[in-house]
Amino acid sequence: QQQVKQSPQSLIVQKGGISIINCAYENTAFDYFPWYQQFPGKGPALLIAIRPDVSEKKEGRFTISFNKSAKQFSLHIMDSQPGDSATYFCAASRRGGSEKLVFGKGMKLTVNP
Amino acid sequence: DTAVSQTPKYLVTQMGNDKSIKCEQNLGHDTMYWYKQDSKKFLKIMFSYNNKELIINETVPNRFSPKSPDKAHLNLHINSLELGDSAVYFCASSQNTGGIRETQYFGPGTRLLVL
Repeated sequence: QQQVKQSPQSLIVQKGGISIINCAYENTAFDYFPWYQQFPGKGPALLIAIRPDVSEKKEGRFTISFNKSAKQFSLHIMDSQPGDSATYFCAASRRGGSEKLVFGKGMKLTVNP
Repeated sequence: DTAVSQTPKYLVTQMGNDKSIKCEQNLGHDTMYWYKQDSKKFLKIMFSYNNKELIINETVPNRFSPKSPDKAHLNLHINSLELGDSAVYFCASSQNTGGIRETQYFGPGTRLLVL
């Protein structure tokens, strides 16, 4: 079973547009929700993360919106740039023990110039 | 001054062979991980070690055996390689302090192709 569901699978936007990636989770014990960015041929790198005690977190052009009751969270990329073209993964983990991250299936973003 | 390094970067081998992938981190972290990323980019954890002790062992064939000689190194040995083992394997590390979740830093990956 897939504990973290991510959509869409791919997205093409024009430079300057807004990119939105959605994730939904099943396990209400999850309490940490990071987003990772992966460029071709590289390892994933943490972009931004949120905990469920806040509904929104913003870092530069990147914003996470979190809806605890709906068990959903999303990443918004404002003023998307060609350099943002990458694969984006949402993930979740729960407190206690192993710190295991469960990843969504990833979304390939292409930002056209 | 690479934070998490893996060797080799590429590995092409025949079915049935045994191979190892090495991982080293110079971040002083106490937890290390192995992930497998398949051809569809799906990223799944395989193992995790904290201070040389195995703490996560997902449903992985026992042909895969991790070894942590010290907390800066986590190697992955694979016996009797199969076609389905072809994937990109990522090592990662994090500092877990008192249950506070810390960022996982990923290595550049090892691209394994089994022929």
